[in-house]
Amino acid sequence: ILNVEQSPQSLHVQEGDSTNFTCSFPSSNFYALHWYRWETAKSPEALFVMTLNGDEKKKGRISATLNTKEGYSYLYIKGSQPEDSATYLCAFMRSSASKIIFGSGTRLSIRP
Amino acid sequence: NAGVTQTPKFQVLKTGQSMTLQCAQDMNHNSMYWYRQDPGMGLRLIYYSASEGTTDKGEVPNGYNVSRLNKREFSLRLESAAPSQTSVYFCASRVGSNQPQHFGDGTRLSIL
Repeated sequence: ILNVEQSPQSLHVQEGDSTNFTCSFPSSNFYALHWYRWETAKSPEALFVMTLNGDEKKKGRISATLNTKEGYSYLYIKGSQPEDSATYLCAFMRSSASKIIFGSGTRLSIRP
Repeated sequence: NAGVTQTPKFQVLKTGQSMTLQCAQDMNHNSMYWYRQDPGMGLRLIYYSASEGTTDKGEVPNGYNVSRLNKREFSLRLESAAPSQTSVYFCASRVGSNQPQHFGDGTRLSIL
């Protein structure tokens, strides 16, 4: 059983503040770690696919880091805006042809 | 540019009825996936197909069957629907390697 855990479950942040949350995954047999953004009543949309230990990816105000040796990834949002309100999901893969297992997500709400 | 198309969008079934959820992608992707989404549980993998001609169980396969009909289409069948299968079902596809998944809009299934 692959255990992918995300914390916190939910987060309320003031507009303009920066925030971060965590994805923990098995550190053995790592292939890739995905991050997705999921707005209410829509489908998940990909943010990043990360494969190398020490990887850092950035998309606008959102960035992510990866530590495969200890089995965690951080997602950072700088200067939160109301449109950042969504659930952020991470997903773990053991090989290129393996199942993709999701964490239960971090639900982010931005207070104006 | 259709992407991943799921049909139907909504369905209500009675306990014991059978139903096939359809998923088609027009992006020439190799891998396809079926997930269910339940409150507080993120996305749970039901079945996946790493490539045309192969299918494998995910985290919650009991009560479901799948068919990878060709490279474009991956269907999910409920042989005898149960109330516990009430959920939103998402199909996803990806080309492979270090690429993310693309999701359909979901099928909302209620079983009475």
